Amino acid sequence: AQSVTQLGSHVSVSEGALVLLRCNYSSSVPPYLFWYVQYPNQGLQLLLKYTTGATLVKGINGFEAEFKKSETSFHLTKPSAHMSDAAEYFCAVSDGEKLTFGTGTRLTIIP
Amino acid sequence: GAVVSQHPSWVICKSGTSVKIECRSLDFQATTMFWYRQFPKQSLMLMATSNEGSKATYEQGVEKDKFLINHASLTLSTLTVTSAHPEDSSFYICSARREGRRFFGPGTRLTVL
Repeated sequence: AQSVTQLGSHVSVSEGALVLLRCNYSSSVPPYLFWYVQYPNQGLQLLLKYTTGATLVKGINGFEAEFKKSETSFHLTKPSAHMSDAAEYFCAVSDGEKLTFGTGTRLTIIP
Repeated sequence: GAVVSQHPSWVICKSGTSVKIECRSLDFQATTMFWYRQFPKQSLMLMATSNEGSKATYEQGVEKDKFLINHASLTLSTLTVTSAHPEDSSFYICSARREGRRFFGPGTRLTVL
């Protein structure tokens, strides 16, 4: 069984500030971890993923995430928020076949 | 990148009627497509896995006779909500797999009156 918990359904940050979106997971097997972004009226887009190897993963648009096995976490960060980052973000875990999503975090950027 | 489309993007129907939602992979062939449902402020929940040319695999708790899935070609899967009721109102999202990656459609919002 696997599950994902995203802390904070809404996060607001000022433009230029650090973005931190939290994700914790549970999995009975070594997990594959993903972050997806969804802009209004669009499908989910893959931001980044962790499968094996380096625990710090870099994605598109300046985002990165670090896999911490001891904390069962995969938090998403970006050093400096941009207005275009406003969207819904989903963390997901996979056992290699089934993809399980968190409830999502809506990111608002304050000008 | 790969594109997945859904039609319609939103639909309103009367209780008791059936609604068909299409999911197309526009520039690639997808042997496997997935159907998700998302209620407000909740996660995407996998409803079923659709394999081209064979019967869909439904998740526990999803009524296969109510949510009919057809994957007749490598670029098209359809989800038909039969005898829809207000509790079926939700956001339905499809996903297609290509070379190990998942590509998602923009979703279809169904409102049953």
